[in-house]
Parts: sequence; structure tokens; C-alpha cells
Amino acid sequence: QKEVEQDPGPLSVPEGAIVSLNCTYSNSAFQYFMWYRQYSRKGPELLMYTYSSGNKEDGRFTAQVDKSSKYISLFIRDSQPSDSATYLCAMSAYNAGNMLTFGGGTRLMVKP
Amino acid sequence: DTEVTQTPKHLVMGMTNKKSLKCEQHMGHRAMYWYKQKAKKPPELMFVYSYEKLSINESVPSRFSPECPNSSLLNLHLHALQPEDSALYLCASSHSKEGRYTGELFFGEGSRLTVL
Repeated sequence: QKEVEQDPGPLSVPEGAIVSLNCTYSNSAFQYFMWYRQYSRKGPELLMYTYSSGNKEDGRFTAQVDKSSKYISLFIRDSQPSDSATYLCAMSAYNAGNMLTFGGGTRLMVKP
Repeated sequence: DTEVTQTPKHLVMGMTNKKSLKCEQHMGHRAMYWYKQKAKKPPELMFVYSYEKLSINESVPSRFSPECPNSSLLNLHLHALQPEDSALYLCASSHSKEGRYTGELFFGEGSRLTVL
């Protein structure tokens, strides 16, 4: 079993839909939770960062962390074709914050 | 300036060649990273430099040799590579908060390497 599980997709939605992306993990030491967006043939871009549990909102994006369930989510409201990309969840432990464990990535396609 | 700049963007080399990948950041970050990414896979950590010292080497073959000349620059020297080393090589940097690193990494666009 992988430490971080993420559905690879592809996930195809119409423009304007609400998108829900999720990851589950097994390591209870994880305290830092990130979502990266990666466009084709580009480097990953940090989208959202959360420390420990809770919600964080930034524009159309909301990140949620439920440590009791070992489950994190990224919601995208009013999805746009420009949101089409691969979304990677990543997490790390408090004393090894820079040692990221990535999920496999979910490919999202938003159709006009 | 929130950029991590990598050169070259594309590199084709033979198995006997010696080449280098370069990375530069001017955000004052004190940790710099090399990752390798194969198609449809997440990035895999290769090396971490913290305050210009190699702090993590993820059992990478010696044909990959990292170098951190100063706090803004990171190189990856390549020698006697194999075709299976063809991949996207990503550089990243991060800052520390109260002496601790979080997972907030800033990635470059990557150098796409093809080994013939």
C-alpha cells in the first residue's frame, strides 16, 4: 500500500462545475499538506498549503484536511478550462517538512 | 522575484557525454532540491541541499553529481547516463519558518533530458 493514495483520473467536468480532488494517507506523522498544480511539460506550482487540520480558502480554491480520517481534499469552484492540469497532493512530517511524499496525481480536464 | 530558473530547457546527450543542469533562485531560500520526474508519475526526490550542504541523497547513482556553489545556485552534473535516465529534471527551493522547513516548494520549469 502506498503512503499517499490519489485517484489518477482522468476527471472530466464541464466548465463551471465544482471539482473535488482527494487524497488519503497512512502516515499519522504528516503535518504539512500541499496541493500542487502541474500543467503539461511544466514544473509543479504550489497551489495550496495547510498546516495540520482545517480548511483554507484562496479564491476559487478550498483545501480541507481531516487528520482523524487521514483524508485531504481540494475543491475548485466555477472550474475553468485553464484549470485543466494534473493536481498532485503532497505531505510531509513536522520534523522533516521538506521531505515531501507525493500522491500519484489526478489529471483534470475542464471542457468548455 | 518568485522564480526558480533552470537551464537548459532541453538536453540531448549520448551515454558517454558529460553535461550539467543549472538552477538559480533569488528568493533567499536556503534549501534547494533536485527531483526527477518520469511521464505520468509524481516527482521523485534525488538530492536536498540545506545551507549549501548536501543534507539528503536518496540513494542516487553516482553518475548524477550535485553541486551547490552558493546559496542561489544548484548544479547537477551528468556523466555516463543510461537511456532510462531520460526524464524531466526539476529544481526546487524552499524557505524555512522558525528554523523548520515546510512543504512549500517552489519548482522551476524543469530540464527535459533525453539520453540516446
